[in-house]
Amino acid sequence: RKEVEQDPGPFNVPEGATVAFNCTYSNSASQSFFWYRQDCRKEPKLLMSVYSSGNEDGRFTAQLNRASQYISLLIRDSKLSDSATYLCVVNMNYGGSQGNLIFGKGTKLSVKP
Amino acid sequence: EAGVAQSPRYKIIEKRQSVAFWCNPISGHATLYWYQQILGQGPKLLIQFQNNGVVDDSQLPKDRFSAERLKGVDSTLKIQPAKLEDSAVYLCASSLDLIQRGQSTQYFGPGTRLLVL
Repeated sequence: RKEVEQDPGPFNVPEGATVAFNCTYSNSASQSFFWYRQDCRKEPKLLMSVYSSGNEDGRFTAQLNRASQYISLLIRDSKLSDSATYLCVVNMNYGGSQGNLIFGKGTKLSVKP
Repeated sequence: EAGVAQSPRYKIIEKRQSVAFWCNPISGHATLYWYQQILGQGPKLLIQFQNNGVVDDSQLPKDRFSAERLKGVDSTLKIQPAKLEDSAVYLCASSLDLIQRGQSTQYFGPGTRLLVL
């Protein structure tokens, strides 16, 4: 099983649609989880951290399911400007170390007019 | 506030040549990261510094890659000799403190696009 797995997409959705991405991780001891956004030929930028209780930032909602070892990102009312690749990032702990930051391959979203 | 600076932005070299990349993190950021991002993949952490000490270099191919952050500010990443499979974007990032200590925000530089022919 890969350490962090994402569906690469692409997800092609119309403006205004709701879209959800999932990400699974292999190490149950992982403690920190993030979603990053990366535009084409640009650097990744932090979109939001993912907390155990779930968190929301405007149209974006992130959730963590530790039992099933997955995190999700929900985007409501999609905008054209949401078109990007969304990277799932997990801080993997391997017994006593400070952990390793593992990025998924990303899920590509394309929002169409 | 100035962001993470990297240079050069693009580099084309032939295999077996050497290349070096430079990174200047955001002022005051103790933690610096070098990532390799191959086309179609997510960034892979190569090395992580806390001030001038190495926190994690477990995924750095040490037979050909080296990195240093001698004064705890700027950093250089070197590849010697380069191979075709080193073609990638090399991203530098910085954060106030270790991600593992709850500092969630890494700020990435624009990256250096390396093509090895």
